Amino acid sequence: RKEVEQDPGPFNVPEGATVAFNCTYSNSASQSFFWYRQDCRKEPKLLMSVYSSGNEDGRFTAQLNRASQYISLLIRDSKLSDSATYLCVVGTSGGSYIPTFGRGTSLIVHP
Amino acid sequence: EAGVTQSPTHLIKTRGQQATLRCSPISGHTSVYWYQQALGLGLQFLLWYDEGEERNRGNFPPRFSGRQFPNYSSELNVNALELEDSALYLCASSLGTRFNEQFFGPGTRLTVL
Repeated sequence: RKEVEQDPGPFNVPEGATVAFNCTYSNSASQSFFWYRQDCRKEPKLLMSVYSSGNEDGRFTAQLNRASQYISLLIRDSKLSDSATYLCVVGTSGGSYIPTFGRGTSLIVHP
Repeated sequence: EAGVTQSPTHLIKTRGQQATLRCSPISGHTSVYWYQQALGLGLQFLLWYDEGEERNRGNFPPRFSGRQFPNYSSELNVNALELEDSALYLCASSLGTRFNEQFFGPGTRLTVL
């Protein structure tokens, strides 16, 4: 099993739709979790951190499920500008911090 | 506030040559991370520097090396270039504490011919 797994998609949704992505991780000692978005041929940009209590930023909600070892990202009222690849990052400390990126989930929002 | 900067933007080398990539972190950030993103693949962790020391490295051969300078800027060196080293090399910085958010530079696109 890969350390961090994401469904590559693409998720093809109409404007205004709600879409959710999951990211599973294998190391139960993982301690930090983030979502990034990456536009084509650009650098990843931090979208939000994921806290144990979950967090919300406008149309975006991130949650952590430690028991099942996954994080989720929910996007409400999708906009055309949300089209991008969404990367999850899991940080594990086994003596030294190791950040592991998933390969990303592609989202296409169409009119 | 200036973000993470990287130079050069593009770099073209031939097999066997050496490449040097540079990164300047956000002011106040002491940690610098290097990643390789080959076409169609995810980000692969290369190296982590903090306070001038190498803290961890990913599963890459020793010909990938680097250093961090007293001003926290960093350099990635790739020796004996191979065709499969062609990729986007991304640098990210964060506050020194582990588990903090990372902020990425625009990357250096290395092409090995």
